[in-house]
Order: sequence, then C-alpha cells, then structure tokens
Amino acid sequence: DAKTTQPPSMDCAEGRAANLPCNHSTISGNEYVYWYRQIHSQGPQYIIHGLKNNETNEMASLIITEDRKSSTLILPHATLRDTAVYYCIVKGGSQGNLIFGKGTKLSVKP
Amino acid sequence: SQTIHQWPATLVQPVGSPLSLECTVEGTSNPNLYWYRQAAGRGLQLLFYSVGIGQISSEVPQNLSASRPQDRQFILSSKKLLLSDSGFYLCAWSVDYYNEQFFGPGTRLTVL
Repeated sequence: DAKTTQPPSMDCAEGRAANLPCNHSTISGNEYVYWYRQIHSQGPQYIIHGLKNNETNEMASLIITEDRKSSTLILPHATLRDTAVYYCIVKGGSQGNLIFGKGTKLSVKP
Repeated sequence: SQTIHQWPATLVQPVGSPLSLECTVEGTSNPNLYWYRQAAGRGLQLLFYSVGIGQISSEVPQNLSASRPQDRQFILSSKKLLLSDSGFYLCAWSVDYYNEQFFGPGTRLTVL
C-alpha cells in the first residue's frame, strides 16, 4: 500500500503556481519523498525528490515540513502541458521499489 | 545521454497466446531494471525488478515472468495470456536504489 495521502484532484489557472500537497505521516528517517507525474497514455516522469531539505530544480520546488510528515510540490507557473496525475511516493534507501498510489489529477485551465 | 526503449508500442493478443515484451536501455551500465503494469483506471503496480543479469525479483504472483539475458535488456513474458493481463506495461531503469527511476514509453496490451 502507498504510504502517502493526496487529494484526488485539483484545478489550477494557467500561469499561476500549482501547490500539490502530500501527507506522509509514517515516513521513517531514511525514506525519501519522490514526485512523479504521468501525462495521459505516457510513462511516468520523474520530477524531484528530497529527504528533509527543500529542493528546487528546473521543473518544480519541493517543500518538506520540519517534522517530515508532509510535503508540497510547487509548479511555479503552471501551463496547460502540466495537466497530469502527480504521484507523491515515499521510498526507503534499501528498496528501489516505487509504490504508486492514486495520485492527484491536476487540471490546468486557461 | 541515457535512453530507454520499449516495443511494441501497442499489441492485441488473443487469450491463451504467448507474450514477449522487450525493454532496452542505452547509455548506462548495470542499471536496476523494473517492469510495471497499469490496469485501466488504476495505479502502477511493480511486477518485477532486476539488479543484474539473471537476477529477477517478483513482486506479485502471476502468470508473467521476466528475464534479463543481457545487462541492458529486460524481457517480460507469458506462456498463456489471460484477459486480466490487459494493461499498460512500463519498463523503468535507475542507477541504484537511491536514485530516481526513468520510465520508457510503455506498451499497451489488449488481450481479447
């Protein structure tokens, strides 16, 4: 079973920041938080991951709370092409297996 | 740069027929390799993973099998397909357990 809880769907206006929340209250000390997204009929695409510090790359920012029980993926300026299902996944270092939940379906609207 | 290939892109097979899906990775050595399945309207489910040639771990019991005859080749097979084998099959690779996985374009299998 997935160790994360995400809202099933969210809407975002084009050009605005999309903030996608994820709860992972049972995360353990050596587990990372990963974010992937899946655009319809394509394979999942890696976005970002982090352990406890906030992370930023060319796609998104990842904000992890100090207690590590939740995180937020931020797409700073959402475009229509960002419409996808976003998966928040907790993965330990000793196992390479991603357990995908149902994710959040993000709809970016003009 | 690394790339991952899967073929075929789509496949329609009758129940009881055999299956062979192939995945190859370019631009890296000794990758971890993974097979996932996504049934219609459902999330991705890990089927098999491999950390080296000839080393296969199965995550769920099923009538599918996997093999890794070469370092960068991962094959998913079945001797007799079931209707429930229909789905979107994805191959992925990673450098190791800690790093991100990169997914291929997938094969959409329909069993009739």
